[in-house]
Amino acid sequence: DAGVTQSPTHLIKTRGQQVTLRCSPKSGHDTVSWYQQALGQGPQFIFQYYEEEERQRGNFPDRFSGHQFPNYSSELNVNALLLGDSALYLCASSLGGPQLLQYFGAGTRLSVL
Amino acid sequence: AQSVTQLDSQVPVFEEAPVELRCNYSSSVSVYLFWYVQYPNQGLQLLLKYLSGSTLVKGINGFEAEFNKSQTSFHLRKPSVHISDTAEYFCAVSDVGTSGTYKYIFGTGTRLKVLA
Repeated sequence: DAGVTQSPTHLIKTRGQQVTLRCSPKSGHDTVSWYQQALGQGPQFIFQYYEEEERQRGNFPDRFSGHQFPNYSSELNVNALLLGDSALYLCASSLGGPQLLQYFGAGTRLSVL
Repeated sequence: AQSVTQLDSQVPVFEEAPVELRCNYSSSVSVYLFWYVQYPNQGLQLLLKYLSGSTLVKGINGFEAEFNKSQTSFHLRKPSVHISDTAEYFCAVSDVGTSGTYKYIFGTGTRLKVLA
């Protein structure tokens, strides 16, 4: 049974570029949440998708956007990258809507130069 | 909104000694609490969770935590640590949004370093 998978594992971009990160939820899960973990910090909630709609959003600018596909996989897009966007981006999935128990992937480490 | 405070940014401890990692949360009518471990260059692994019931929660790798409602704390303990326990530990609380959906609020983490 595959867990939450994220791709790519590492990514290097330059300021001003755009990036897309991908997440496949755990088998059977239909809800995906995205978190940003800056170096030395705890993860911070970006947003959450369920039934292909954004259900909840954290305190992140509109440069951060997302999408959920009919197969429940999800993408996180970040436009106009800033140096401060360098972080580990974690995806978490849950079953039956945004539930208490979320399962995390290994993350995508984004470096912005 | 919920918040989580991890009081110690770093905790050094000798191998086979006991350890306690502290976590306090903001008060709420109902609260769901979690401890996660993160090894270098890896994602988050769930150690244990408190949803309801017994206030003493046992998790993986010999860890346990006690939910204390009066002190709004959820401290993590292990009676005897190993070198392999060296990692970053995060306390998290589940926060309910206006639409009834859940997200996690994490603390800033405690780096546990086990010394030989």
